[in-house]
Amino acid sequence: KNEVEQSPQNLTAQEGEFITINCSYSVGISALHWLQQHPGGGIVSLFMLSSGKKKHGRLIATINIQEKHSSLHITASHPRDSAVYICAVLHYNTGNQFYFGTGTSLTVIP
Amino acid sequence: EPEVTQTPSHQVTQMGQEVILRCVPISNHLYFYWYRQILGQKVEFLVSFYNNEISEKSEIFDDQFSVERPDGSNFTLKIRSTKLEDSAMYFCASSSRQGGNTIYFGEGSWLTVV
Repeated sequence: KNEVEQSPQNLTAQEGEFITINCSYSVGISALHWLQQHPGGGIVSLFMLSSGKKKHGRLIATINIQEKHSSLHITASHPRDSAVYICAVLHYNTGNQFYFGTGTSLTVIP
Repeated sequence: EPEVTQTPSHQVTQMGQEVILRCVPISNHLYFYWYRQILGQKVEFLVSFYNNEISEKSEIFDDQFSVERPDGSNFTLKIRSTKLEDSAMYFCASSSRQGGNTIYFGEGSWLTVV
């Protein structure tokens, strides 16, 4: 069973386009993380959300706790944004155990 | 920028051999984690460690796995008798607080079991 679903699985965009990646989850959570996985495999944490909205540079993350849904937006996309974006949720019953989505592979074409 | 470091970056081992993957978490962090990602699949939680003991583990983390913090800086994952299906990227991570805080990942250790 998939506690975390992401869409789309793959996304190709032209440089400059506005991008949205969606994450839906089925469990009660205490936090949601958006992660970026580089082509070489390394993972970087982008955002940790428990409510509302956060912005960092060209990246914006929102979460709707009632609807169990989060979105990651990239404004003015750039080829260096090409990576796999992973949504991970922290189940409120398990203090440290994350459930991961399968990731969204983003390719931004110049 | 603080970072989590992992060694080795890549290891090839014979089936049945023991493997130790090493991690140096960020120095003032208290929570440590191991995750794995089989090629083409999603990242999976293995184990979390706090106050010198396992705080949570997944069903993947069976008796062939163990973790240790042998000194003040290293955090190791040992796989006692490797199987082909243990081939994966293993990520170490650390955070200053339990889950609801920024988590920092290492670059990963590729393990190939042949």
